[in-house]
Amino acid sequence: GAVVSQHPSWVICKSGTSVKIECRSLDFQATTMFWYRQFPKQSLMLMATSNEGSKATYEQGVEKDKFLINHASLTLSTLTVTSAHPEDSSFYICSARDPGAGGTEAFFGQGTRLTVV
Amino acid sequence: GENVEQHPSTLSVQEGDSAVIKCTYSDSASNYFPWYKQELGKGPQLIIDIRSNVGEKKDQRIAVTLNKTAKHFSLHITETQPEDSAVYFCAASRRGQGAQKLVFGQGTRLTINP
Repeated sequence: GAVVSQHPSWVICKSGTSVKIECRSLDFQATTMFWYRQFPKQSLMLMATSNEGSKATYEQGVEKDKFLINHASLTLSTLTVTSAHPEDSSFYICSARDPGAGGTEAFFGQGTRLTVV
Repeated sequence: GENVEQHPSTLSVQEGDSAVIKCTYSDSASNYFPWYKQELGKGPQLIIDIRSNVGEKKDQRIAVTLNKTAKHFSLHITETQPEDSAVYFCAASRRGQGAQKLVFGQGTRLTINP
């Protein structure tokens, strides 16, 4: 199947700093990518839909100015957590669909564990 | 919007026995229902999916059934093995509409006892 890669796999940052997480589709082009957040022992909650060449679509309750999404190319979307606070500590996961393979199955990255201290 | 409910939240079975996880959905327009397995510290991996034009799908020890009228679908794992221990998520989405967002169930922590 298609491969989606996230980087870094884990990061620790100080409160008040910003952190950038990258999501790449390695063997296909994705006009749309999805960003999820998962707290311990909870389900995946969609944060935003990243659209190549246009603005991201944020889910209700997600602060767009805090979670900056950039989808500058067909294989890369980035999520920047700005002015991070301990409550932003979570597991962030991206996904994408391969339009060349039917576009239905969602492929997930390995996730990024963010710890804000 | 779509709401997906998943039960049970935890499930413990003896190795070799079968495990069943159930989900219900609210949006009758949903027509794609995948199941994911998530191991600790990793992203979800698709294990099986079903589309609304099919009532059942099987892949070796894993099967999924769908009842569109009742709006529920189930995951069946037979001859369970210790490596089946993980958290399983069901999800639902519409096909052919914009970004086709996936809505996830709450997850089931499956433990296979040797």
